[in-house]
Amino acid sequence: GENVEQHPSTLSVQEGDSAVIKCTYSDSASNYFPWYKQELGKGPQLIIDIRSNVGEKKDQRIAVTLNKTAKHFSLHITETQPEDSAVYFCAADTGGFKTIFGAGTRLFVKA
Amino acid sequence: DSGVTQTPKHLITATGQRVTLRCSPRSGDLSVYWYQQSLDQGLQFLIQYYNGEERAKGNILERFSAQQFPDLHSELNLSSLELGDSALYFCASSPSVGPSDTQYFGPGTRLTVL
Repeated sequence: GENVEQHPSTLSVQEGDSAVIKCTYSDSASNYFPWYKQELGKGPQLIIDIRSNVGEKKDQRIAVTLNKTAKHFSLHITETQPEDSAVYFCAADTGGFKTIFGAGTRLFVKA
Repeated sequence: DSGVTQTPKHLITATGQRVTLRCSPRSGDLSVYWYQQSLDQGLQFLIQYYNGEERAKGNILERFSAQQFPDLHSELNLSSLELGDSALYFCASSPSVGPSDTQYFGPGTRLTVL
């Protein structure tokens, strides 16, 4: 069935280092890949998204890359800061009007 | 602030009871989505409504039902509650039918079933 796998489940980095979170999806019809950040006690907030006609998208310290052939997409955060600490979710749409979320990555940025 | 509101923020109830969670979408958004977030299961899609009509269904139990009203707010009804229904319930909204629309999430309702 439709599935999105996300790795790693936990990531700990030093402030100023980069963080990379990877996702793979199973539905070749997927065209939209959003990334959400969830802070403690809050709802997920969209931080960046990418559509299948684009290979890479950047917004300041955040970038997302997409490899449709391999069904992989990744989130890159550069120059990490303590306020980047949160749970990050990747997601993919499906042909059936659903959005499937990955299991989440808990990012710790150590000062 | 996403513009999506959910009430109540917290709900504590007993097994066997029935509760209603309420969601108001962002102004102008026609789609409402409901998700369940348990500690060990991430975000599970339950159901989507678009302009009052059910559009997509996920892993929603038969004990759960939802509807979207003419003013576009939505309610999620959970009945015959079990301990395992304790979770965070999120509502999200998007401008059109999606799912390639950006979804904006509300702050969630924390349900505790004792």
